[in-house]
This record gives sequence, C-alpha cells and structure tokens, in this order.
Amino acid sequence: DTGVSQNPRHKITKRGQNVTFRCDPISEHNRLYWYRQTLGQGPEFLTYFQNEAQLEKSRLLSDRFSAERPKGSFSTLEIQRTEQGDSAMYLCASSLLGEAVETQYFGPGTRLLVL
Amino acid sequence: AQKITQTQPGMFVQEKEAVTLDCTYDTSDPSYGLFWYKQPSSGEMIFLIYQGSYDQQNATEGRYSLNFQKARKSANLVISASQLGDSAMYFCAMYGTSYGKLTFGQGTILTVHP
Repeated sequence: DTGVSQNPRHKITKRGQNVTFRCDPISEHNRLYWYRQTLGQGPEFLTYFQNEAQLEKSRLLSDRFSAERPKGSFSTLEIQRTEQGDSAMYLCASSLLGEAVETQYFGPGTRLLVL
Repeated sequence: AQKITQTQPGMFVQEKEAVTLDCTYDTSDPSYGLFWYKQPSSGEMIFLIYQGSYDQQNATEGRYSLNFQKARKSANLVISASQLGDSAMYFCAMYGTSYGKLTFGQGTILTVHP
C-alpha cells in the first residue's frame, strides 16, 4: 500500500506567477486535506474534500487559492498571483471516513519559495 | 474552537533515557481525538499515536505512550529508551467530532544526544 504522494517536492517561483501542486492520496481514502506550514509553526488547515466534494475552507484560503478533487482521487491546489507570504510547506493528508480511528496520513509536502 | 498548546520549544535527552513532551488542549467538543506526529527534517509528518477522549486506557505504541489526563486536559507523549533517530519536531494535534480537520500545536524540537 503506497502512501500519500505530492508533486513537486520543491517549487521556486517569482512573485505574481501561478503555481499548481498535486496530491495523490492513499488509494482507498475518501477524505483529503490540505494544510500549510510556515517555518517554526504547526500545520494550519486550509481545506478538505470528502470524495469530490469540498466540505470546508479555512479563511486562510484567500480567493487566490483554489483546490479541486475532480474524480474523488487526486487533488490539486493552485495559487494564483503568488506573493512572498505564500512561501511555506504545503502538506496533503488523507484519511478513511468510517474507520474506528480516522487517522490522517501525510505526504512529504511541497516546499514553495516565492521570490 | 479548539486549541493545542505545547509549551516546550525544545527538549534534550540522553540516548536510551525516557523523555516526556507536554501537550495541553482546549475544546468544547464532548468527543475528540488526540494525535502525536513526528516531523523529521525531511518534512514528512509521521503518525505516532492516538488517544480517544472516551478511551479508558492510556494509548501505547511500541516505545511511545500517551499520558492522558482528561481532567487536566493534557495529553503528554512519553518516549522510552530514546534513540538518535528520535531527533525531530513533535506535534500534538486534535480533532473533534464536529470537525474533520486537525488543529496542531506549535511543536517541540527533540534532540537526542549520544
């Protein structure tokens, strides 16, 4: 059973450019989460999906951010018109709703640096 | 709203000794779950241990155990027989039944000395 994978692992971009990250969850997991982690802090929730439905969005998710999970499998997170404050680690996690303990398993993250 | 507090920015321990990492929480949910994750310098969050709010026994998982004191709203992680590979950032996190998301603390950096 493969774990959660994320691509790319690192991304350097210039301010104002758009970037897109991909997350592939554990295959049978129906919930998928995006978190953002800045240096020295714990991860902060951005949004989550149950199958293809986006059920909750944090107020951290400005209108420059959009996330999709079109077929209930992989997900993409797009940031438009990037700003230096978007520099962070973007973590994806997945879980299986209905398990006795719904544990979120994380991917390796995508480190974004906006110059 | 939920809140996790980890008051130890950094901890040091000698190899083969035990160490306790502190975590206190606040929630209005009657039912909730508490997690500990390890984050090495590579960045991946590794699940260590879980404690449910209604669990009567403290959770254990190999060298990890969770000292759960519900009245004090604390969920401290105990690592026994520390190894050099335990050096990492450790996060306490929780979710309530009202939420799917996890709320994380600020983390504790553990350094294991040989």
